[in-house]
Amino acid sequence: AQSVAQPEDQVNVAEGNPLTVKCTYSVSGNPYLFWYVQYPNRGLQFLLKYITGDNLVKGSYGFEAEFNKSQTSFHLKKPSALVSDSALYFCAVIRGSYIPTFGRGTSLIVHP
Amino acid sequence: EAQVTQNPRYLITVTGKKLTVTCSQNMNHEYMSWYRQDPGLGLRQIYYSMNVEVTDKGDVPEGYKVSRKEKRNFPLILESPSPNQTSLYFCASRTDRLSSYNSPLHFGNGTRLTVT
Repeated sequence: AQSVAQPEDQVNVAEGNPLTVKCTYSVSGNPYLFWYVQYPNRGLQFLLKYITGDNLVKGSYGFEAEFNKSQTSFHLKKPSALVSDSALYFCAVIRGSYIPTFGRGTSLIVHP
Repeated sequence: EAQVTQNPRYLITVTGKKLTVTCSQNMNHEYMSWYRQDPGLGLRQIYYSMNVEVTDKGDVPEGYKVSRKEKRNFPLILESPSPNQTSLYFCASRTDRLSSYNSPLHFGNGTRLTVT
């Protein structure tokens, strides 16, 4: 069975500082990994995905994520956080059944 | 504009009164799915459909029904709603052309359901 863990319910960071939102996964074989963002009163929006190839994936709004196979992680990063980045972030994995499994979400709060 | 449209956005109902939440996508996507979002539990899949007339249970299907008679529509039916179905519901779709299964999901803006 596939699973995703987002170990932090909330991440707080000051504007201008780098941010990291953590995600670890458990699947058999090579995973497809995704990050989505949810702003208030909106559905989830796709940020980036890892399928194969370069371990550093770049996505929308200046976000990037690093795939680490040995640590089974796919952490979301941004070099300089903005207040407008404050939102709920979800990691998801697909393998085998081709049905996505989502983490519980991490609330990112960027303080001015 | 490519989008997934859910209706209604907000719904308050009483226990036992049948309701339907509609979902429509204009991207000719094969895969469609329903999720519920609850605090501390994240997104949980209710039902999904890989194509027309093909539906399957997700992680929390009890108390829900779906149908996929047309490619663009995937309604969620609550035959006899109960208070534990109070939640935020999302419909999502994805293209599965070329059997890649790694295309991102497109989400609707959600339906907030309250059952009293």
